[in-house]
Amino acid sequence: SYELTQPPSVSVSPGQTARITCSGDALSRRYTYWYQQTSGQAPVLVIYEDNKRPSGIPERFAGSSSGTMATLTISGARVADEADYYCYSTDSSGDYSGAFGGGTRLTVL
Amino acid sequence: QVTLKESGPVLVRPTETLTLTCTVSGFSLRNPRMGVTWIRQPPGKALEWLAHIFSNDEKSFSPSLRARLTISKDTSKSQVVLTLTNMDPVDTATYYCARTIVVVPASLGNGMDVWGQGTTVTVPS
Repeated sequence: SYELTQPPSVSVSPGQTARITCSGDALSRRYTYWYQQTSGQAPVLVIYEDNKRPSGIPERFAGSSSGTMATLTISGARVADEADYYCYSTDSSGDYSGAFGGGTRLTVL
Repeated sequence: QVTLKESGPVLVRPTETLTLTCTVSGFSLRNPRMGVTWIRQPPGKALEWLAHIFSNDEKSFSPSLRARLTISKDTSKSQVVLTLTNMDPVDTATYYCARTIVVVPASLGNGMDVWGQGTTVTVPS
């Protein structure tokens, strides 16, 4: 099955830039999506189609993708941004099966 | 406003079959660019993609669970049903359904934009 790899944890101080990476063999051919999940809540979409922000998501959230790696960048991270972040994409097979990365716990302190 | 709501049993005994229903509103299951995906999350663990279904009845399943999963839709009721057979304690999780958008062109994949609140299913040991 398709695998997406994320670092388990990222830690930054408030106001710093946090970068969370996601690597996968098919990312050069498929879009990446990013989801934020705070404790006990359903995931929320923060980036779609590699670099687009849904309405209501702050501009400090940005996405990029190059080759087999996608990156979620949170500029000027806030304590409120502490959460688990998951990347998602689809594999290179014809049925477009989905896969999530293992998740990255962002700590802002 | 797009909403999805999962429903089903809270407790399922080992070897039984789990049946979950996702009732959607604010969009149509007939929309050629939309579908529904099921995802689960065991306590304290990562999200796991399970299956999706689109308006043309195209389906896809997690390779590791393919033999145990079925997915279907009732467009008239705006519902998508997931079944998972031969339940085991390791299947204890919160199960989510989410609206899924097909990218144009479709070769670039798909992704979920709106999620339901999730429903917790426990399989006792």
